[in-house]
Amino acid sequence: AQSVAQPEDQVNVAEGNPLTVKCTYSVSGNPYLFWYVQYPNRGLQFLLKYITGDNLVKGSYGFEAEFNKSQTSFHLKKPSALVSDSALYFCAVRVLYNFNKFYFGSGTKLNVKP
Amino acid sequence: DTEVTQTPKHLVMGMTNKKSLKCEQHMGHRAMYWYKQKAKKPPELMFVYSYEKLSINESVPSRFSPECPNSSLLNLHLHALQPEDSALYLCASSQDNSGGTRSYNEQFFGPGTRLTVL
Repeated sequence: AQSVAQPEDQVNVAEGNPLTVKCTYSVSGNPYLFWYVQYPNRGLQFLLKYITGDNLVKGSYGFEAEFNKSQTSFHLKKPSALVSDSALYFCAVRVLYNFNKFYFGSGTKLNVKP
Repeated sequence: DTEVTQTPKHLVMGMTNKKSLKCEQHMGHRAMYWYKQKAKKPPELMFVYSYEKLSINESVPSRFSPECPNSSLLNLHLHALQPEDSALYLCASSQDNSGGTRSYNEQFFGPGTRLTVL
């Protein structure tokens, strides 16, 4: 079965500090991984994706994610957090046998304090 | 235009009402999705349309009825809903990924319709 896990319900970080939001996956075959962000009462916004190639993927708003095949992880990172980064973050995986189906992790609430 | 629009933004309905949610995109995407999202939870997939044909129905109750009149529009018809159906309903679209040439396209989400069933 395809699945993705976000082990932390909440991450707290001070503004200016680096942030990491964790994601691990379980898929059959090659993983196709995505990160989305959701601000209150809004839809999800795409941040970045890993399909193949370089393990470090750069995305929107200064975010990047590191794909680690041996640890089956795809952690989201940013070198210097902003208060405006406070939001709900979802990791998602594409299902191998049905490319139009995505599974989302449970979400991680990121709180960036001034 | 990289936007998915949804109307209405908010909807309050009784359990005997019939209402519809609408979604529109003009990005040429041929896959469109309906999701249900409860507060602080991930989106739950309800339906997927691929080239205007229903390709995925995640065992959704028949009181929810999707419709894809054309490649730009997606509707969700609601009838005899229950209070537990109250949620944020999200529409999304993407380039279709189910064809012979594999592609790995992200979804674009609308802002959602906040539905309250009394």
